Amino acid sequence: KNQVEQSPQSLIILEGKNCTLQCNYTVSPFSNLRWYKQDTGRGPVSLTIMTFSENTKSNGRYTATLDADTKQSSLHITASQLSDSASYICVVTLGRANNLFFGTGTRLTVIP
Amino acid sequence: EAQVTQNPRYLITVTGKKLTVTCSQNMNHEYMSWYRQDPGLGLRQIYYSMNVEVTDKGDVPEGYKVSRKEKRNFPLILESPSPNQTSLYFCASSFKLAGGGQETQYFGPGTRLLVL
Repeated sequence: KNQVEQSPQSLIILEGKNCTLQCNYTVSPFSNLRWYKQDTGRGPVSLTIMTFSENTKSNGRYTATLDADTKQSSLHITASQLSDSASYICVVTLGRANNLFFGTGTRLTVIP
Repeated sequence: EAQVTQNPRYLITVTGKKLTVTCSQNMNHEYMSWYRQDPGLGLRQIYYSMNVEVTDKGDVPEGYKVSRKEKRNFPLILESPSPNQTSLYFCASSFKLAGGGQETQYFGPGTRLLVL
Protein backbone atom coordinates (compact mmCIF):
# COMPACT_ATOMS: atom_id res chain seq x y z
CA LYS A 1 0.00 0.00 0.00
CA ASN A 2 1.33 3.43 -0.92
CA GLN A 3 1.78 5.49 2.22
CA VAL A 4 3.60 8.55 3.47
CA GLU A 5 4.26 8.91 7.17
CA GLN A 6 5.61 11.96 8.91
CA SER A 7 7.07 12.53 12.32
CA PRO A 8 6.76 14.11 14.70
CA GLN A 9 3.08 14.96 14.52
CA SER A 10 3.75 18.28 16.21
CA LEU A 11 6.79 20.19 17.39
CA ILE A 12 7.39 23.31 19.46
CA ILE A 13 10.74 25.08 19.26
CA LEU A 14 12.24 28.37 20.36
CA GLU A 15 12.82 31.10 17.84
CA GLY A 16 16.32 30.88 16.38
CA LYS A 17 16.70 27.14 16.95
CA ASN A 18 17.06 24.52 14.23
CA CYS A 19 14.75 21.56 13.72
CA THR A 20 14.39 18.50 11.51
CA LEU A 21 11.17 16.93 10.29
CA GLN A 22 11.00 13.35 9.04
CA CYS A 23 9.14 11.66 6.20
CA ASN A 24 9.08 7.91 5.42
CA TYR A 25 7.30 6.58 2.39
CA THR A 26 6.38 3.30 0.76
CA VAL A 27 5.21 4.74 -2.56
CA SER A 28 6.59 2.74 -5.46
CA PRO A 29 7.60 3.34 -8.13
CA PHE A 30 8.79 6.71 -6.94
CA SER A 31 8.84 9.78 -9.15
CA ASN A 32 9.60 12.72 -6.90
CA LEU A 33 9.22 13.97 -3.36
CA ARG A 34 7.98 17.40 -2.37
CA TRP A 35 7.85 19.37 0.82
CA TYR A 36 5.09 21.93 1.27
CA LYS A 37 4.44 24.57 3.89
CA GLN A 38 0.81 25.18 4.80
CA ASP A 39 -0.26 28.10 6.92
CA THR A 40 -3.51 27.64 8.81
CA GLY A 41 -6.52 28.06 6.50
CA ARG A 42 -4.41 28.50 3.38
CA GLY A 43 -3.33 26.32 0.49
CA PRO A 44 0.04 24.53 0.64
CA VAL A 45 3.05 26.30 -0.85
CA SER A 46 5.90 24.37 -2.43
CA LEU A 47 9.27 24.46 -0.66
CA THR A 48 11.38 21.83 -2.45
CA ILE A 49 11.03 19.14 -5.09
CA MET A 50 13.50 16.26 -5.44
CA THR A 51 13.73 13.41 -7.91
CA PHE A 52 15.18 10.02 -6.98
CA SER A 53 18.63 11.08 -8.24
CA GLU A 54 18.86 14.09 -5.93
CA ASN A 55 19.77 13.71 -2.28
CA THR A 56 19.61 17.30 -1.12
CA LYS A 57 17.95 20.53 -2.10
CA SER A 58 17.83 23.89 -0.38
CA ASN A 59 15.43 26.80 -0.42
CA GLY A 60 16.74 29.54 1.83
CA ARG A 61 16.68 28.28 5.42
CA TYR A 62 14.95 25.08 4.33
CA THR A 63 17.06 22.07 3.32
CA ALA A 64 15.50 18.80 2.24
CA THR A 65 17.36 15.51 2.02
CA LEU A 66 16.33 12.30 0.34
CA ASP A 67 17.56 8.73 0.71
CA ALA A 68 15.78 6.79 -2.02
CA ASP A 69 17.28 3.50 -0.82
CA THR A 70 15.75 3.72 2.64
CA LYS A 71 12.77 5.74 1.37
CA GLN A 72 13.30 8.50 3.86
CA SER A 73 13.38 12.25 3.58
CA SER A 74 13.96 15.04 6.05
CA LEU A 75 13.34 18.76 6.08
CA HIS A 76 15.80 20.81 8.11
CA ILE A 77 14.88 24.35 9.13
CA THR A 78 17.73 26.57 10.19
CA ALA A 79 17.49 29.55 12.52
CA SER A 80 13.73 29.27 12.89
CA GLN A 81 11.52 32.33 12.75
CA LEU A 82 8.03 32.95 14.11
CA SER A 83 6.74 32.92 10.53
CA ASP A 84 7.89 29.30 10.19
CA SER A 85 4.94 28.28 12.37
CA ALA A 86 2.87 26.15 10.00
CA SER A 87 2.21 22.59 8.93
CA TYR A 88 4.86 20.95 6.80
CA ILE A 89 3.65 18.30 4.42
CA CYS A 90 5.65 15.63 2.62
CA VAL A 91 4.21 14.55 -0.75
CA VAL A 92 5.37 11.66 -2.93
CA THR A 93 4.44 11.30 -6.59
CA LEU A 94 3.84 7.86 -8.01
CA GLY A 95 6.17 7.21 -10.92
CA ARG A 96 4.78 7.50 -14.46
CA ALA A 97 1.45 8.51 -13.04
CA ASN A 98 -0.13 11.56 -11.64
CA ASN A 99 -1.20 10.32 -8.25
CA LEU A 100 0.16 12.21 -5.30
CA PHE A 101 0.34 10.76 -1.82
CA PHE A 102 0.33 13.20 1.06
CA GLY A 103 1.61 12.76 4.57
CA THR A 104 -0.56 14.09 7.38
CA GLY A 105 1.98 16.78 8.13
CA THR A 106 4.03 18.02 11.06
CA ARG A 107 2.60 21.00 12.90
CA LEU A 108 5.52 23.29 13.82
CA THR A 109 5.11 26.07 16.36
CA VAL A 110 7.93 28.56 16.85
CA ILE A 111 7.72 30.49 20.09
CA PRO A 112 9.62 33.67 21.06
CA GLU B 1 -0.47 37.62 -11.12
CA ALA B 2 -0.17 33.84 -11.49
CA GLN B 3 -2.78 32.22 -9.33
CA VAL B 4 -5.38 29.54 -8.74
CA THR B 5 -8.77 30.84 -7.70
CA GLN B 6 -11.63 28.96 -6.10
CA ASN B 7 -15.23 29.96 -5.52
CA PRO B 8 -16.94 30.04 -3.19
CA ARG B 9 -14.48 30.20 -0.31
CA TYR B 10 -17.11 29.17 2.21
CA LEU B 11 -20.32 27.26 1.66
CA ILE B 12 -23.02 25.86 3.90
CA THR B 13 -25.58 23.61 2.24
CA VAL B 14 -28.03 20.84 3.03
CA THR B 15 -27.90 17.17 2.19
CA GLY B 16 -28.86 16.41 -1.40
CA LYS B 17 -28.65 19.91 -2.82
CA LYS B 18 -26.35 19.87 -5.83
CA LEU B 19 -23.43 22.26 -5.74
CA THR B 20 -20.42 23.21 -7.81
CA VAL B 21 -17.11 24.59 -6.63
CA THR B 22 -15.26 26.39 -9.38
CA CYS B 23 -11.50 26.40 -9.92
CA SER B 24 -9.62 28.52 -12.40
CA GLN B 25 -5.92 29.02 -13.16
CA ASN B 26 -4.20 31.59 -15.35
CA MET B 27 -0.87 29.83 -15.86
CA ASN B 28 -1.77 27.67 -18.88
CA HIS B 29 -1.17 24.53 -16.80
CA GLU B 30 -2.12 21.16 -18.25
CA TYR B 31 -2.50 19.39 -14.92
CA MET B 32 -5.23 20.25 -12.44
CA SER B 33 -6.38 18.39 -9.37
CA TRP B 34 -8.86 18.48 -6.52
CA TYR B 35 -8.09 17.50 -2.92
CA ARG B 36 -9.95 17.36 0.31
CA GLN B 37 -8.29 17.93 3.65
CA ASP B 38 -9.68 16.48 6.86
CA PRO B 39 -8.21 16.59 10.36
CA GLY B 40 -5.83 13.71 10.99
CA LEU B 41 -6.04 12.47 7.40
CA GLY B 42 -4.09 15.08 5.48
CA LEU B 43 -4.80 15.93 1.88
CA ARG B 44 -6.39 13.27 -0.30
CA GLN B 45 -6.71 13.46 -4.04
CA ILE B 46 -10.27 13.37 -5.40
CA TYR B 47 -9.84 13.74 -9.16
CA TYR B 48 -7.19 15.02 -11.47
CA SER B 49 -6.99 16.09 -15.09
CA MET B 50 -4.02 15.81 -17.39
CA ASN B 51 -5.50 18.12 -20.00
CA VAL B 52 -8.75 19.22 -21.62
CA GLU B 53 -11.31 16.40 -21.70
CA VAL B 54 -8.92 14.08 -19.81
CA THR B 55 -9.86 13.32 -16.20
CA ASP B 56 -9.08 10.48 -13.84
CA LYS B 57 -9.97 9.32 -10.35
CA GLY B 58 -7.75 9.94 -7.39
CA ASP B 59 -7.96 8.18 -4.03
CA VAL B 60 -11.41 9.34 -2.93
CA PRO B 61 -13.61 10.04 -5.99
CA GLU B 62 -16.90 8.67 -4.64
CA GLY B 63 -19.65 11.28 -4.55
CA TYR B 64 -17.79 13.75 -6.76
CA LYS B 65 -17.70 14.62 -10.44
CA VAL B 66 -15.43 16.85 -12.44
CA SER B 67 -15.19 18.21 -15.95
CA ARG B 68 -12.42 19.79 -17.98
CA LYS B 69 -13.95 21.53 -20.97
CA GLU B 70 -11.42 24.36 -20.96
CA LYS B 71 -7.79 24.33 -19.97
CA ARG B 72 -8.14 27.01 -17.32
CA ASN B 73 -11.22 25.66 -15.49
CA PHE B 74 -11.75 22.48 -13.48
CA PRO B 75 -15.04 22.56 -11.53
CA LEU B 76 -15.83 20.08 -8.77
CA ILE B 77 -19.44 18.92 -8.69
CA LEU B 78 -21.25 17.33 -5.78
CA GLU B 79 -24.48 15.95 -7.25
CA SER B 80 -26.01 14.98 -3.91
CA PRO B 81 -23.85 16.21 -1.03
CA SER B 82 -23.81 14.30 2.22
CA PRO B 83 -22.51 15.31 5.67
CA ASN B 84 -19.38 13.17 5.21
CA GLN B 85 -18.35 15.52 2.42
CA THR B 86 -17.96 18.33 4.93
CA SER B 87 -14.33 19.24 4.45
CA LEU B 88 -11.77 21.77 3.26
CA TYR B 89 -11.28 21.50 -0.50
CA PHE B 90 -8.25 22.59 -2.48
CA CYS B 91 -7.75 22.90 -6.19
CA ALA B 92 -4.21 22.80 -7.59
CA SER B 93 -2.54 23.15 -10.95
CA SER B 94 0.85 22.65 -12.53
CA PHE B 95 2.56 21.62 -15.71
CA LYS B 96 2.59 17.85 -15.96
CA LEU B 97 3.90 16.04 -12.87
CA ALA B 98 4.71 12.57 -14.11
CA GLY B 99 7.99 11.21 -15.39
CA GLY B 100 10.24 12.63 -12.70
CA GLY B 101 9.43 16.22 -13.49
CA GLN B 102 9.94 19.00 -11.00
CA GLU B 103 7.07 21.24 -11.87
CA THR B 104 5.78 23.28 -8.96
CA GLN B 105 2.18 22.65 -8.02
CA TYR B 106 0.17 25.75 -7.14
CA PHE B 107 -2.75 25.50 -4.74
CA GLY B 108 -5.84 27.60 -4.52
CA PRO B 109 -6.93 29.28 -1.25
CA GLY B 110 -9.37 26.52 -0.35
CA THR B 111 -13.14 26.14 -0.06
CA ARG B 112 -14.60 25.26 3.30
CA LEU B 113 -17.79 23.23 2.84
CA LEU B 114 -20.31 22.32 5.50
CA VAL B 115 -23.09 19.89 4.59
CA LEU B 116 -25.93 19.78 7.09
